[in-house]
Amino acid sequence: EAGVVQSPRYKIIEKKQPVAFWCNPISGHNTLYWYLQNLGQGPELLIRYENEEAVDDSQLPKDRFSAERLKGVDSTLKIQPAELGDSAVYLCASSQPSVAGGQETQYFGPGTRLLVL
Amino acid sequence: GQQVMQIPQYQHVQEGEDFTTYCNSSTTLSNIQWYKQRPGGHPVFLIQLVKSGEVKKQKRLTFQFGEAKKNSSLHITATQTTDVGTYFCAGAGSNDYKLSFGAGTTVTVRA
Repeated sequence: EAGVVQSPRYKIIEKKQPVAFWCNPISGHNTLYWYLQNLGQGPELLIRYENEEAVDDSQLPKDRFSAERLKGVDSTLKIQPAELGDSAVYLCASSQPSVAGGQETQYFGPGTRLLVL
Repeated sequence: GQQVMQIPQYQHVQEGEDFTTYCNSSTTLSNIQWYKQRPGGHPVFLIQLVKSGEVKKQKRLTFQFGEAKKNSSLHITATQTTDVGTYFCAGAGSNDYKLSFGAGTTVTVRA
């Protein structure tokens, strides 16, 4: 079974430029997450989708960040314009409802490492 | 939301020795998950604990959930070089699906 796919793996841009990240979740996983991970820190949730609906975007800086999951499968996260402080790893994760109940297990993609110069 | 703290931040271990990393939450958790992230890699799910006082083992790894469901620990026996990486705990509140990750414990092993 293929895991979560993300692209690009690395991205270097100059500040004020736009950037976009793409995520393809595990087949059949209805829930998709975008996380930000700074060096030496744990992942921080940016947005969570249930199918095509963003059910939690409270942590997404909406002045410059946007996301979409139009058909409830692939998702794109965009930053426009990028700032120096946006340099981080952007992780996508997906999950499906737990058969036994309880918290869903999240499967992470390899991430996109963004460097803003 | 809950805040999850992990200690120590760094753990340098002699190969073959045991060590423990701890996770503490400011609020009661409905469950706690542990992830491992290898250098340059992404978090990989290890285990989920749900019940108060629950203990689960995976080979040389022992995970425990506190009686009050506000803390957890990961104990590794006979550390090997393959144990290198950062171990994150992540907790969810009673009425909240959202996982709050700790900052992780980064483990290095000297042969």
